[in-house]
Amino acid sequence: DTGVSQDPRHKITKRGQNVTFRCDPISEHNRLYWYRQTLGQGPEFLTYFQNEAQLEKSRLLSDRFSAERPKGSFSTLEIQRTEQGDSAMYLCASSPSRDSWVGFFGQGTRLTVV
Amino acid sequence: DAKTTQPNSMESNEEEPVHLPCNHSTISGTDYIHWYRQLPSQGPEYVIHGLTSNVNNRMASLAIAEDRKSSTLILHRATLRDAAVYYCILGAGNEKLTFGTGTRLTIIP
Repeated sequence: DTGVSQDPRHKITKRGQNVTFRCDPISEHNRLYWYRQTLGQGPEFLTYFQNEAQLEKSRLLSDRFSAERPKGSFSTLEIQRTEQGDSAMYLCASSPSRDSWVGFFGQGTRLTVV
Repeated sequence: DAKTTQPNSMESNEEEPVHLPCNHSTISGTDYIHWYRQLPSQGPEYVIHGLTSNVNNRMASLAIAEDRKSSTLILHRATLRDAAVYYCILGAGNEKLTFGTGTRLTIIP
């Protein structure tokens, strides 16, 4: 078990471009979460999946953001028409669904929009 | 979501115990108390959680007040590797976590 894996670790993109991040959770973890973290702040919840079903989306997740988990395993987070305000660390976490919340976070993808 | 209040920062000497406080006066009966920490350039890491009784694990202890309106995370012997931001979070079972800004712990050699 290698933990939660995120790819890429760093991404620099020009404003207006689309970017996609990938998260591979711990195997057999049914729940997968996406968070966003800006400098000096705690992580903010974006969305989460139970298997392939997207159960909740934060109002932070504008229509430029979309997340998928097509086969209930890995997940992707896409940002369309990136803006400078999208610059942040994007964190993925997974957990086994039955237990009281013990979350395992990846190391994140740092996005810089220039 | 019920809110937690933590000091912005704390310092402690290496090899001494550290007590990190958290106030949560609006906690509901079903809210667990979770602690996570985030080392520099890392994702958050689970530390401990509890509901009513004090809890111990290999990383830390969690002392919960009898009225559950406050709790304290105890690191028994701080090392330089414990320097991190510590988050106290309330949540009911398996659901999203609502992070605050946490307590930045500095360990003095």
